[in-house]
Amino acid sequence: EAQVTQNPRYLITVTGKKLTVTCSQNMNHEYMSWYRQDPGLGLRQIYYSMNVEVTDKGDVPEGYKVSRKEKRNFPLILESPSPNQTSLYFCASGVELREAFFGQGTRLTVV
Amino acid sequence: KQEVTQIPAALSVPEGENLVLNCSFTDSAIYNLQWFRQDPGKGLTSLLLIQSSQREQTSGRLNASLDKSSGRSTLYIAASQPGDSATYLCAAPGYNTDKLIFGTGTRLQVFP
Repeated sequence: EAQVTQNPRYLITVTGKKLTVTCSQNMNHEYMSWYRQDPGLGLRQIYYSMNVEVTDKGDVPEGYKVSRKEKRNFPLILESPSPNQTSLYFCASGVELREAFFGQGTRLTVV
Repeated sequence: KQEVTQIPAALSVPEGENLVLNCSFTDSAIYNLQWFRQDPGKGLTSLLLIQSSQREQTSGRLNASLDKSSGRSTLYIAASQPGDSATYLCAAPGYNTDKLIFGTGTRLQVFP
């Protein structure tokens, strides 16, 4: 089954404690992206990757890092999480932008 | 810069009604437009993808149209059901960028 898998689905952490949200896709897609979704602001892109070892900033990259060492994986790293990063995060993959498949989301709370 | 707008923001209808959700975009040089469904607290499910060469796409009770010249897309839902209750989002590629620009969605409630 074609899918994008994110882990964990829910996470509560404390300010400053480094965390990683994993994302994996099994469709051999070159394009992967991370979004955050906040009430009233909609979906905003954090980072994206057009291929292995190619990553670029989206609209709201501050406070986040990503890496793309393998085609299937695109982890999102928060080196020092802060409460304003409390949000619902989505990973997506696709063939360029021709179609986007989304993961089920990770609800992150930073206290 | 591509901007995507959806109206109405919320819609509540009785079961069985046919309804239309609207999506407007500012940059008409798009090569596709996608409609998604999102259930509360969950991920996005792709409903329909319309390529720029197409005028509409159909999937079951859903029909999406695309009019690039006017910068509009509509999602038509026939014979709505309570299970259709969700937020519907449209998304278009940004101009000369590698990202999807999302509208803020239409929250639909279909009551029995």
